[in-house]
Amino acid sequence: DQQVKQNSPSLSVQEGRISILNCDYTNSMFDYFLWYKKYPAEGPTFLISISSIKDKNEDGRFTVFLNKSAKHLSLHIVPSQPGDSAVYFCAASARSGNTPLVFGKGTRLSVIA
Amino acid sequence: KAGVTQTPRYLIKTRGQQVTLSCSPISGHRSVSWYQQTPGQGLQFLFEYFSETQRNKGNFPGRFSGRQFSNSRSEMNVSTLELGDSALYLCASSYGPVGSEAFFGQGTRLTVV
Repeated sequence: DQQVKQNSPSLSVQEGRISILNCDYTNSMFDYFLWYKKYPAEGPTFLISISSIKDKNEDGRFTVFLNKSAKHLSLHIVPSQPGDSAVYFCAASARSGNTPLVFGKGTRLSVIA
Repeated sequence: KAGVTQTPRYLIKTRGQQVTLSCSPISGHRSVSWYQQTPGQGLQFLFEYFSETQRNKGNFPGRFSGRQFSNSRSEMNVSTLELGDSALYLCASSYGPVGSEAFFGQGTRLTVV
């Protein structure tokens, strides 16, 4: 039973345009959400997070939106750059329940110059 | 500040053998988690240690075990290796409570032949 789902295995975007990566979750106890970026042969790198008490968090070109009623979050990258090409993982945890991070299967983003 | 260090980076083992992987967390981080990444399966949680105690465990067979030492360094052991154990094994350390941002090492690529 997959609690965190990234339904798009891949996404292609032109340089300069917006990249939108989506993530759905099923566990209503999740209260903390994170996005990680992974290059080949490297470990995932933390990008941005959002607590369930917020609906938006922004850090430079990266913005995460959380829709609790839909159990959906998205990562927006504006503008997209070729260096953003990587696999993006969505993760969630129920910190109040002491549960570890649960990851989605990832979305491979390709930014085309 | 040094990041999470995993050794070795690459390993080739024969079916039936056992293997030990090592992880040194970021200085000051007391929580260490282990994940298995296989193609198309995302990051699957193995276990998490805090102050030498296993705090959480994923849904893996008993052939997978781990431990944490007093200096927070952690080891993961897989006994009676199977071909399906071939994967990238990632270690992550964190400072905050369970489910907080985790910082990953580069991983150990294990190939079972």
